[in-house]
Amino acid sequence: GAGVSQTPSNKVTEKGKYVELRCDPISGHTALYWYRQSLGQGPEFLIYFQGTGAADDSGLPNDRFFAVRPEGSVSTLKIQRTERGDSAVYLCASRLGLGLTDTQYFGPGTRLTVL
Amino acid sequence: DQQVKQNSPSLSVQEGRISILNCDYTNSMFDYFLWYKKYPAEGPTFLISISSIKDKNEDGRFTVFLNKSAKHLSLHIVPSQPGDSAVYFCAANFPGNQFYFGTGTSLTVIP
Repeated sequence: GAGVSQTPSNKVTEKGKYVELRCDPISGHTALYWYRQSLGQGPEFLIYFQGTGAADDSGLPNDRFFAVRPEGSVSTLKIQRTERGDSAVYLCASRLGLGLTDTQYFGPGTRLTVL
Repeated sequence: DQQVKQNSPSLSVQEGRISILNCDYTNSMFDYFLWYKKYPAEGPTFLISISSIKDKNEDGRFTVFLNKSAKHLSLHIVPSQPGDSAVYFCAANFPGNQFYFGTGTSLTVIP
């Protein structure tokens, strides 16, 4: 009966490295969102999945960012050749469906620091 | 370009008084608006929402008002309690299931 979980909670990496951030949504939730929150800003949409497919990836900033959800549950956000500007909190949220009143439930986020 | 704006980064209110948090948006296509509350080291938590076809929605101490002509919404908390101290984000849904968030207002309720 847990909520959305994200691992790791903190990730420190060096510029140029590859990182993977994991999101475990609430069981049964078909929609899954990724957001990036920089210091002093609100969450910024990156991508969302409906089931296994990426329904909208228009928020991904460039081709270094990629996300998958192969079985329609757990999702992984992958960032290649990390840059210092990628440092932010990465939030995941899941929804039961895509109805307007289907609430987004957020995880606690992964704080990524690129040195 | 910020489509949802919260122009007050912070707000302090005495316990028991009304807190009013404001939000402005630019895109008339937004069809649903939400407020989220966020404590440190936690993800945002849904608080209250309003459809674009309504102008008011109330849930206990929380009321959201929507003024479509002004592209403005506000969250009223009455009476404010110390546990309400948090960062509040306004968000808007764009048809197609994208959500746009404001930059947040940090509310402090002083006991």
